[in-house]
Amino acid sequence: DAGVTQSPTHLIKTRGQQVTLRCSPKSGHDTVSWYQQALGQGPQFIFQYYEEEERQRGNFPDRFSGHQFPNYSSELNVNALLLGDSALYLCASSLRRHGYTFGSGTRLTVV
Amino acid sequence: AQSVTQLDSQVPVFEEAPVELRCNYSSSVSVYLFWYVQYPNQGLQLLLKYLSGSTLVKGINGFEAEFNKSQTSFHLRKPSVHISDTAEYFCAVIMGGSEKLVFGKGTKLTVNP
Repeated sequence: DAGVTQSPTHLIKTRGQQVTLRCSPKSGHDTVSWYQQALGQGPQFIFQYYEEEERQRGNFPDRFSGHQFPNYSSELNVNALLLGDSALYLCASSLRRHGYTFGSGTRLTVV
Repeated sequence: AQSVTQLDSQVPVFEEAPVELRCNYSSSVSVYLFWYVQYPNQGLQLLLKYLSGSTLVKGINGFEAEFNKSQTSFHLRKPSVHISDTAEYFCAVIMGGSEKLVFGKGTKLTVNP
């Protein structure tokens, strides 16, 4: 049974560019959440998608946007990249809010 | 604001010694509580969770945690650690009607031979 799959695993972008990260949830899960983990910090909640709509959002600017597809997979888009956006981006899927499974993450480096 | 405090940023211990990683949260409403482990360059793996019922929760790899509502704590313990337990440990909570996990800053556990 495949867990949560994220792609790509690593990414290097230039300041001002745009990036799209992808997540396939664990089989049977219908909810996808995204987290940003800066170096040496705990993950910070970006937003959660359920039934193709954003259900809850954390304290992130509008440059961060997302989408959920009918097959429950999800994308995280970040526009106008800043150096401070460099982080590990984690996707978590769940069927209920107390059963989160995390992917291995995408390491984004902005130069 | 909701917050989770992990009182120790780094905990060094010798192999086969007991360990306790401390976690406190700020909330006056119902909570779900979690401990996750993160190995270098990897995602988060769930160790254990408290949703309701018995306040002593047993997880994977011999870890356990006790929910103390009066002290708003959820400390993680293991009676005898192995070298392979070296990793970063995160305490997290879901509070009230929220959908999001709120994480602490993590505790780096280093097990020395």
